Amino acid sequence: DQQVKQNSPSLSVQEGRISILNCDYTNSMFDYFLWYKKYPAEGPTFLISISSIKDKNEDGRFTVFLNKSAKHLSLHIVPSQPGDSAVYFCAANENTGNQFYFGTGTSLTVIP
Amino acid sequence: GAGVSQSPSNKVTEKGKDVELRCDPISGHTALYWYRQRLGQGLEFLIYFQGNSAPDKSGLPSDRFSAERTGESVSTLTIQRTQQEDSAVYLCASSLMRGYEQYFGPGTRLTVT
Repeated sequence: DQQVKQNSPSLSVQEGRISILNCDYTNSMFDYFLWYKKYPAEGPTFLISISSIKDKNEDGRFTVFLNKSAKHLSLHIVPSQPGDSAVYFCAANENTGNQFYFGTGTSLTVIP
Repeated sequence: GAGVSQSPSNKVTEKGKDVELRCDPISGHTALYWYRQRLGQGLEFLIYFQGNSAPDKSGLPSDRFSAERTGESVSTLTIQRTQQEDSAVYLCASSLMRGYEQYFGPGTRLTVT
């Protein structure tokens, strides 16, 4: 069973516009959420995280929003740049668990 | 500083053979994870090591899979009697400790023919 879901396999955005990547989860015990970015032939790299005590975390062009009641998080990238083109994975875990549960990824293409 | 490294980067093997994949974590990272990513799918947790504690093997798909780690250093993932469905990218990640963000290696692409 997929506890973390990314329902959009791909997304295309014009350079300079906002990219919004979405992620849903089913386990209400998850309390820590992360976004990773992956280029071809490389491992995922950590981008930004948020704990369940917050509903927003910002780092430069990247902002993660968490809606616990909807079990939904999103990553906003603004302004989008061609170098942001990559696959983005969301992940979640619960404080008492060892596992991180990953979504299937969304491939973002930023068009120059 | 050095990141997580994995070897080999690519491995092609015949069905039924054993393979061993290696991961060198970031120095000082006590937690180490192995994941598998099949084509078009997300990352699938396999096993977790934390310091000298007993590993969490709950994600290993069958008894053909095993992993070792000596202290807080190198880890090896062994797949015995490989099957075609084992073909995937195997990713290793380390983190300072459990619950912290993970740093991934570049992965080993395993192809079983």
